[in-house]
Amino acid sequence: NAGVTQTPKFRVLKTGQSMTLLCAQDMNHEYMYWYRQDPGMGLRLIHYSVGEGTTAKGEVPDGYNVSRLKKQNFLLGLESAAPSQTSVYFCASMRAGEQFFGPGTRLTVL
Amino acid sequence: AQSVTQLGSHVSVSEGALVLLRCNYSSSVPPYLFWYVQYPNQGLQLLLKYTTGATLVKGINGFEAEFKKSETSFHLTKPSAHMSDAAEYFCAVTRLMYSGGGADGLTFGKGTHLIIQP
Repeated sequence: NAGVTQTPKFRVLKTGQSMTLLCAQDMNHEYMYWYRQDPGMGLRLIHYSVGEGTTAKGEVPDGYNVSRLKKQNFLLGLESAAPSQTSVYFCASMRAGEQFFGPGTRLTVL
Repeated sequence: AQSVTQLGSHVSVSEGALVLLRCNYSSSVPPYLFWYVQYPNQGLQLLLKYTTGATLVKGINGFEAEFKKSETSFHLTKPSAHMSDAAEYFCAVTRLMYSGGGADGLTFGKGTHLIIQP
């Protein structure tokens, strides 16, 4: 039982490049979330999903898109990366009010 | 809208001393409150949560927190600090629980870095 996994762990992009972050969970949870963590800011919600095929905007959705084609996977996309998107990205899934977090993806945009 | 305020971005205590990390929240509906811990270069781990019922909540690693509605607070305490408690601590609130209606994510405080002095 791997819990919540994130791919990749690290990535460096140039401004304007695109990429997709993958989150996978093997706990059969309906709810999944993407957060970003910046120094002194805590974690902020980007997008979330309440089930397969559904997505919703969080607090800071601009510049990101998401998809939940399969229940176990939640993808976060950056179409045209900007330096302001340099951050650590955490995925989480939820059951009974408790969120289970992945190990994070450290993204640097130059 | 919800918000969380954690007083003190850094708290330093001596090993064996009381740990007190402060959290105040704002919510227009009954809140559900959480404390998470993050060790360097790792994800977040749930320490404890308050949903309903008993206002004093016990968590892992000897931590506990008390929900005080009148003070809109959910402070985290531990009677005796250990070196292994050094980490970043986050208080979080949500307004909808997983109970048929969905849950729209957590609102986090900015975090408190706990430093343990030997």
